[in-house]
Amino acid sequence: GAGVSQSPRYKVAKRGQDVALRCDPISGHVSLFWYQQALGQGPEFLTYFQNEAQLDKSGLPSDRFFAERPEGSVSTLKIQRTQQEDSAVYLCASSLRADSGIHTGELFFGEGSRLTVL
Amino acid sequence: ILNVEQSPQSLHVQEGDSTNFTCSFPSSNFYALHWYRWETAKSPEALFVMTLNGDEKKKGRISATLNTKEGYSYLYIKGSQPEDSATYLCASKDQTGGGNKLTFGTGTQLKVEL
Repeated sequence: GAGVSQSPRYKVAKRGQDVALRCDPISGHVSLFWYQQALGQGPEFLTYFQNEAQLDKSGLPSDRFFAERPEGSVSTLKIQRTQQEDSAVYLCASSLRADSGIHTGELFFGEGSRLTVL
Repeated sequence: ILNVEQSPQSLHVQEGDSTNFTCSFPSSNFYALHWYRWETAKSPEALFVMTLNGDEKKKGRISATLNTKEGYSYLYIKGSQPEDSATYLCASKDQTGGGNKLTFGTGTQLKVEL
């Protein structure tokens, strides 16, 4: 498809279970971002990739969170030993390049993966 | 750390009303201000990206202004329609971070009633 695709759209996990969330960005987009949106909050930055390189992971809340983009296209966000506070919508976004330059710098978002940890 | 605030938190208007919301952000090291519209069960969609003080952008019935010196942006919707019902998010990027890292506000939830 033409847009950013995320899967699964909904995931229910038992506390302590590992989960993996997938993001398929727009073809040719260099930059890829993961954001976490908890209920009643705005999206919060988790991590950023430029091609396959993870240039910023300062927003990952703990070492239970891990993201990868091994071939510079599809990315996976993995959460180990999930906790109730991990319940949120996880948004993936891509953009053409790292710095806007002549481009708008706008992000193209997927529909998100809603994770509920029981 | 940037702190982006939006007001009001939610808004109910009648069809045909004009409305506006506010986004405030730290003015130091400012680089860009983004507005997104997020309809329920869909993905956030970019409305505007603004960088220059005094900038004003328009898309149909929606327009936005930017004041980087005092750190605020207004989003205006003229003649609201039910299809404008959505959460409107603003996000700011400063010059200290790399890439396009954005700091989002909590959004303004707009409901347009017939």
